[in-house]
Amino acid sequence: RKEVEQDPGPFNVPEGATVAFNCTYSNSASQSFFWYRQDCRKEPKLLMSVYSSGNEDGRFTAQLNRASQYISLLIRDSKLSDSATYLCVVYSHTGGFKTIFGAGTRLFVKA
Amino acid sequence: SAVISQKPSRDICQRGTSLTIQCQVDSQVTMMFWYRQQPGQSLTLIATANQGSEATYESGFVIDKFPISRPNLTFSTLTVSNMSPEDSSIYLCSSTGRADTQYFGPGTRLTVL
Repeated sequence: RKEVEQDPGPFNVPEGATVAFNCTYSNSASQSFFWYRQDCRKEPKLLMSVYSSGNEDGRFTAQLNRASQYISLLIRDSKLSDSATYLCVVYSHTGGFKTIFGAGTRLFVKA
Repeated sequence: SAVISQKPSRDICQRGTSLTIQCQVDSQVTMMFWYRQQPGQSLTLIATANQGSEATYESGFVIDKFPISRPNLTFSTLTVSNMSPEDSSIYLCSSTGRADTQYFGPGTRLTVL
């Protein structure tokens, strides 16, 4: 089993749609959680951190369920510019600093 | 956030040769990392570059193949040695940011013929 698993997609949605991505992780001792965005042929960039209380940044909402070891990202009112790969990232201090990247979920937003 | 630059941005190399990739951060950082990202795949950590000591390599990666230097707190190099076509990939360096986040350089796209 992979340490961080994501649905690879691709997700093809029209502009204005709401889309949700899910991610599960295997290490219950994981401490920090993030969503990164990676555009084609570019480096990953931090989109947002994920907290147990949930957090929202404009059209983006991230949630963490530690009991189920599950992370989600919700994008509302999708824009063409949201087209990218979204990486679920899990960080652990246990046994040394360790950041694990999911394989990513590809999103295409179409006009 | 840190600004990270990498050189070269891309290269095409013959098998059996070596390529050294440079990574420069615009501020002093404790930890720098080197990743590999193969087409359609996510990032795989090669090693952590430690200032003043040897790099710490992940399983499957060895110093002879991927020697790393970290002469100071703003700079690191990764060498891909004795290259084969299987080494064709994007190589990314990163440094830690606030609250366990990471910032990445733009990557080096390597093609080995």
